[in-house]
Amino acid sequence: DTGVSQNPRHKITKRGQNVTFRCDPISEHNRLYWYRQTLGQGPEFLTYFQNEAQLEKSRLLSDRFSAERPKGSFSTLEIQRTEQGDSAMYLCASSLFMALAETQYFGPGTRLLVL
Amino acid sequence: AQTVTQSQPEMSVQEAETVTLSCTYDTSENNYYLFWYKQPPSRQMILVIRQEAYKQQNATENRFSVNFQKAAKSFSLKISDSQLGDTAMYFCAFNYGGSQGNLIFGKGTKLSVKP
Repeated sequence: DTGVSQNPRHKITKRGQNVTFRCDPISEHNRLYWYRQTLGQGPEFLTYFQNEAQLEKSRLLSDRFSAERPKGSFSTLEIQRTEQGDSAMYLCASSLFMALAETQYFGPGTRLLVL
Repeated sequence: AQTVTQSQPEMSVQEAETVTLSCTYDTSENNYYLFWYKQPPSRQMILVIRQEAYKQQNATENRFSVNFQKAAKSFSLKISDSQLGDTAMYFCAFNYGGSQGNLIFGKGTKLSVKP
C-alpha cells in the first residue's frame, strides 16, 4: 500500500493558463474525491467518482474545471483559464466504499499559485 | 445548510497533558458519520478517529477519544498524554455516507504541543 499520490506537488502558473493535476488512489479503492483547501480554511468538496463515473459535482466546480477518471484508476483535474482565486491546495482522497461507511485517505495535495 | 464549527482557532498544551478540541455541527438528518482528521505541518491529512451517529458509545483510539453528544450536536476530541508529534491542524468533519460521501469540514484548530 503506497498511499494516495498526487502530482505535481507544486505548480506556479500565470493567469489565463491551463493546468492539470493528477491523483493516483490506493489500488482497488473504488471512490476518488477532489477537495480544495484555501489558507485558513478546511477542505471544500469539489467532485467525486465511483469507479469511472462522476457521481457528484459541487457548485464550486465552475465550468472552467473538469475532472476525469478513465478506467476507474487515476484521476485528473484540469483548470482552464486559471484565475488568481484558483490559488489553493488541491487535495485528492480515495476510499473503498462497500456499504454506508467509508474512510477517506488523503494524498499530499498539489499547491497551485496563480500569478 | 450543513456546517461544522470549530470555535478554537489555536490551542496549546504541555507535553504529557490532556487537551480537548471542540466541534459543533448542524444537520437535520439523523444518520451521519463524524470524523477528526489531523494535518501535520506540510504533511498529508490522516484520520484520527471516526464515530457513527447511531452508536451511543464514544469512539476511542489509543490516546484519542471523543465526547459525542448527539442532541447537542457536539463532537469534541480529547487527546491524552499529548506528544510533540501531535502538533498539527485538527479538522472536524462529517458526512452522510452512501451516495453522500463527501466530507464537510470545519475551519480547523491549530494545536501546538510544547515541551
